[in-house]
Amino acid sequence: EVQLVESGGGLVQPGGSLRLSCIASGFTFSSYWMSWVRQAPGKGLEWVANIKEDGSEKYYVDSVKGRFTISRDNAKNSLYLQMNSLRAEDTAVYYCARGVGNSGPFYYYYMDVWGKGTTVTVSS
Amino acid sequence: SYELTQPPSVSVSPGQTARITCSGDALPKQYAYWYQQKPGQAPVLVIYKDSERPSGIPERFSGSSSGTTVTLTISGVQAEDEADYYCQSADSSGTYRGVVFGGGTKLTVL
Repeated sequence: EVQLVESGGGLVQPGGSLRLSCIASGFTFSSYWMSWVRQAPGKGLEWVANIKEDGSEKYYVDSVKGRFTISRDNAKNSLYLQMNSLRAEDTAVYYCARGVGNSGPFYYYYMDVWGKGTTVTVSS
Repeated sequence: SYELTQPPSVSVSPGQTARITCSGDALPKQYAYWYQQKPGQAPVLVIYKDSERPSGIPERFSGSSSGTTVTLTISGVQAEDEADYYCQSADSSGTYRGVVFGGGTKLTVL
């Protein structure tokens, strides 16, 4: 069974840091792009970051550039999101998702498998 | 980046057809994708590449594209289809490769 399981969420003070993890199983992790997508309470989905199969390309939404870092360890079938300088507006459920697509001239991208999410709350 | 615009809500009676639209300037050049999200659950992909249906998704879900607007159609709506629906597309500019979601549409089955 294809599965993604997130962990690492919790309560953190503004300006603090948190590292989210996502463990993949049931598919060849190293063959897929991976993504983080978040959803603030009562709001819609917001894409956060993508990482290529080998980690050589990473892309971020403008609001997290310079604060968040996406990474992966293919040997451990694991995806990570290091979040620094956290703000109240980063409060959300963070989903790990498997990506399908490519970064070439005919770029397309979508997410076909999603984890259940982990909750991050930034508050004093 | 650019925006994808969806109506906030759509209501239909059971057995009727629901149509949810998504508009964006880049849609003539980019595929659209649709996700269903029920309360407290993760999103589920229901349509990819404008009109393709993943395995396990009921045939009553279909997608179409015309110019700057894509449409998710649910034929013979069932109570279990009540959910939030999000369109998504790829966002590219130069070497940037991102993703954009629409604001979501809440489908209510009356």
